[in-house]
Amino acid sequence: DAKTTQPTSMDCAEGRAANLPCNHSTISGNEYVYWYRQIHSQGPQYIIHGLKNNETNEMASLIITEDRKSSTLILPHATLRDTAVYYCIVRVKDSGYALNFGKGTSLLVTP
Amino acid sequence: NAGVTQTPKFRVLKTGQSMTLLCAQDMNHEYMYWYRQDPGMGLRLIHYSVGEGTTAKGEVPDGYNVSRLKKQNFLLGLESAAPSQTSVYFCASSRGRREENEQFFGPGTRLTVL
Repeated sequence: DAKTTQPTSMDCAEGRAANLPCNHSTISGNEYVYWYRQIHSQGPQYIIHGLKNNETNEMASLIITEDRKSSTLILPHATLRDTAVYYCIVRVKDSGYALNFGKGTSLLVTP
Repeated sequence: NAGVTQTPKFRVLKTGQSMTLLCAQDMNHEYMYWYRQDPGMGLRLIHYSVGEGTTAKGEVPDGYNVSRLKKQNFLLGLESAAPSQTSVYFCASSRGRREENEQFFGPGTRLTVL
């Protein structure tokens, strides 16, 4: 399985863009990159996913490097409610496409 | 449309007791999953199902059994609870085989085994 590496924690000022990096240097050509977040102890929430191209939705943007070895999740205007643990996951076919959660990045958005 | 629901929300067991956690989804999803999350850790896969009547082991299946008799329900059983099974349990579901299908998670069941 392709493994991911994320910083343990990050801070961001409210209203500013939060840029969360992720390294996945062993990713294969047909493996997707997913981002989920977990607010406090709630169930994880899907944010965005991508394969090769950059993606954007109402929550965030995902920038994937051309060699696909790393990606960045961008929350364009972070709010206090974006404080959460963010997980970068490479989804593989094994185990019914289950998600392989690491420890993620704990993002703290400050006033 | 309730999404993914889990019953119960909280439970305290004594060592050796048994219980069943129920996960239900109303999205007609084929795939369902059970994860556990220990303090400060990410989620780990216990068991999963790719369709009604099928189940398979995940990363940490020991001490647990599962059943998927109906498409909308996925049950997780603990036959003889141990303190090491104190954790938060999350159920999830997704549409099907295409790996780009997102997973939808339930709110979790907080289990304490004394």
